Formats: sequence, structure tokens, C-alpha cells
Amino acid sequence: DGGITQSPKYLFRKEGQNVTLSCEQNLNHDAMYWYRQDPGQGLRLIYYSQIVNDFQKGDIAEGYSVSREKKESFPLTVTSAQKNPTAFYLCASTPRGEDQPQHFGDGTRLSIL
Amino acid sequence: DAKTTQPNSMESNEEEPVHLPCNHSTISGTDYIHWYRQLPSQGPEYVIHGLTSNVNNRMASLAIAEDRKSSTLILHRATLRDAAVYYCILRSFQKLVFGTGTRLLVSP
Repeated sequence: DGGITQSPKYLFRKEGQNVTLSCEQNLNHDAMYWYRQDPGQGLRLIYYSQIVNDFQKGDIAEGYSVSREKKESFPLTVTSAQKNPTAFYLCASTPRGEDQPQHFGDGTRLSIL
Repeated sequence: DAKTTQPNSMESNEEEPVHLPCNHSTISGTDYIHWYRQLPSQGPEYVIHGLTSNVNNRMASLAIAEDRKSSTLILHRATLRDAAVYYCILRSFQKLVFGTGTRLLVSP
């Protein structure tokens, strides 16, 4: 079945460490996205990529980095510069076109030890 | 980015219809109206979307006001599995801007 796979489901980070969250899709979608969700809040856009080797900052990009070397993969690195990284992280993808819905993964919950 | 306004929560009884409202008075002509829903600890699930005309699919119906400044998601017969947070979102240029959504509570 086609879909979006995020791993790991739960992740723990020590203070000062960088961690990388994985997102893979086999839907052949062009665009991919990373969102952050805090308790009781909606999703906020961190980064997005519309084509390979290109990506744009979203609303809360500080302390995060991404790469898009392959169409199916869009990993997110949470750096030590992100002072409050504890959150639920969601990856999404969408095919090209203004009226196409986004498909979401099941998320990674990141916590600080 | 255009914003949407939704009630924080709504309640319904099982097997009754549910009308979830959304105001988007600053919508532009190219913004699509999308609805997603989210269960706890899961990613959002696409429900329905439209531009100007009312839309129906197997999950729900979307009624869009003639001036496009508001819309209503209609669940024809609520089930316990419909209990979730519902987000009304305006999509432009490949981006979605999520608000805090409406938490739908469904009672047996």
C-alpha cells in the first residue's frame, strides 16, 4: 500500500543533541512538508519542499534543518538550537496541483530527557 | 495567509447529523477550502475540499456560501468514530495553514 512512513514513533533527545526524524513516501508525490504540533494546538509549518534539491522555510524554521536529495525522502533534523523541541512532528506529502489534498504520516513524538 | 474561525467544540448524538461551521471572511479567489480531521496521536486525515460549489463524498458534504466567506462541513449521521478535531483550512500555493479546529464530541 502507498503511504507516508515516519520513524521512529517516539524519540528522546538529550540536551545539546541533534536528532533526525525520518519521513519516506511511496506515493510519487512532488511536495513534502514538516509540521510541528504542540498540545491542544493546530499544526505549524516548519519546512516544505516542492521539488528535489529545493526547500523553503515555513513559519517556524528556526532550530530545524531539512534536505531533499530524493523525491521520496524528506528528513528533518532538530538541532540543539531549537530550545523547546518537545512536540509532535508530522510529515505530509501532496501531488502537484492546487486542489490536491495532503497525506499525513502518523507522526513522531519527540521528548527531551 | 488567510485565516479561518471555528468554534472550539461541538457535541452531537450518535446517528444524528452534524453541521460544523467555518468562517473565512478574508478568503481569496484562488483559495481552496479543505477539511481535515485528527484523532489523538495520529496525523490529520483528509475529509473533503471545494472551491465554489458544494461537494459530496463518502465521508461528508461541504456546503460553501455563495460569497465563499463561510462553509459548513456536514456529517450526515455521526458515529462514535467521528469524534475528532476537525480543521477547516484555506489552501493556497501548496500551503495549508491550520487553526485550532473544532473538537467534536459524539455521545452514544
